Amino acid sequence: QKEVEQDPGPLSVPEGAIVSLNCTYSNSAFQYFMWYRQYSRKGPELLMYTYSSGNKEDGRFTAQVDKSSKYISLFIRDSQPSDSATYLCAMKDGSEKLVFGKGTKLTVNP
Amino acid sequence: NAGVMQNPRHLVRRRGQEARLRCSPMKGHSHVYWYRQLPEEGLKFMVYLQKENIIDESGMPKERFSAEFPKEGPSILRIQQVVRGDSAAYFCASSPPGVGTDTQYFGPGTRLTVL
Repeated sequence: QKEVEQDPGPLSVPEGAIVSLNCTYSNSAFQYFMWYRQYSRKGPELLMYTYSSGNKEDGRFTAQVDKSSKYISLFIRDSQPSDSATYLCAMKDGSEKLVFGKGTKLTVNP
Repeated sequence: NAGVMQNPRHLVRRRGQEARLRCSPMKGHSHVYWYRQLPEEGLKFMVYLQKENIIDESGMPKERFSAEFPKEGPSILRIQQVVRGDSAAYFCASSPPGVGTDTQYFGPGTRLTVL
């Protein structure tokens, strides 16, 4: 079993839709959870950073962490064509090593 | 404030040659990380360095790969005697000095192609 599982998609939605992206993990030592956005042939860009269970909201983005289920989510409201990218979940325990999911490729159609 | 800088952006090498990838962290950042992204794969941690010290190299292949972060100048990821399987995007990230919780900011990557 991989440490972090993420459905690679691709996921295609119409503009304005609510997008739900998810990752599951197996290592209960993970404490810090991140979502990165990566445009084609670019470096990952940090979107959200959360610690412990609960919700965190930033504009159109909401990150959720459920440690009991080892499950994290990223919701994008009112999705825009500019949101089309690959979304990577990442997590770490107390060390500095980030463990990434494979990424979900999202296309938002105008 | 410039972000993480990597060069070259694209690098082509023939099998058996050496590849040197450079990374300049964000201003004020003293922690550097290298990750590799193979086609259709997620990013995989390779090594974590602070100035003049390798802190965690648990993700580095045992042979041909080395990394350094000298007191002056950029961090260097060096791959000796490259093989086709080394073709990938190599990303550098940096974070400020501090304990454990800081986020990592990524550079644009170097895309290595081995012919």
